[in-house]
Amino acid sequence: SAVISQKPSRDICQRGTSLTIQCQVDSQVTMMFWYRQQPGQSLTLIATANQGSEATYESGFVIDKFPISRPNLTFSTLTVSNMSPEDSSIYLCSVAQGARYGYTFGSGTRLTVV
Amino acid sequence: AQTVTQSQPEMSVQEAETVTLSCTYDTSENNYYLFWYKQPPSRQMILVIRQEAYKQQNATENRFSVNFQKAAKSFSLKISDSQLGDTAMYFCAFMKFTSGTYKYIFGTGTRLKVLA
Repeated sequence: SAVISQKPSRDICQRGTSLTIQCQVDSQVTMMFWYRQQPGQSLTLIATANQGSEATYESGFVIDKFPISRPNLTFSTLTVSNMSPEDSSIYLCSVAQGARYGYTFGSGTRLTVV
Repeated sequence: AQTVTQSQPEMSVQEAETVTLSCTYDTSENNYYLFWYKQPPSRQMILVIRQEAYKQQNATENRFSVNFQKAAKSFSLKISDSQLGDTAMYFCAFMKFTSGTYKYIFGTGTRLKVLA
């Protein structure tokens, strides 16, 4: 299965600033997915990122707040913009390996906004 | 809309014993996939076991097995001979292929502690 390198693994940021999270996959994949996991909660899909097109955002998430780039088939970034303490979460990227294998996830970024 | 329910927020089990984690889901789909993921404190989401809805036979992976009851929409995970390394959050997930992509719906998770 694919191996995903996600960074940073954690960060503490000031409110009002932005943080960009990077995910690098060791193979070419069509779709990459970005999830948010709030403290003690389950995973919520933020958006689906296809190479060469605009990301598709889920209800409650907007491009101005969570801009996503997908410049090629092995890389994607998620930016958390104008952060507030409510953005403190774990952010995970993932790729689909097909129905048989499900998703492979990055190791996550623990973001704390102070 | 599909939903996934894990009714046990926390569970504990003695090392070497067996524990079963519950998961129920709601869907009108006939073809879908079910997964159990483990998330240890390292935050890495690790695939434990998968089940195709069209297969009647329950999936097994070493000490992990499922009891898949399609009519009841139930998908429980049994961990045999529990080990300290099994301590983690466990998420049940429903997946289907729709609109050209795979969509996951995760349950709220069960925190499992294996006691020495």
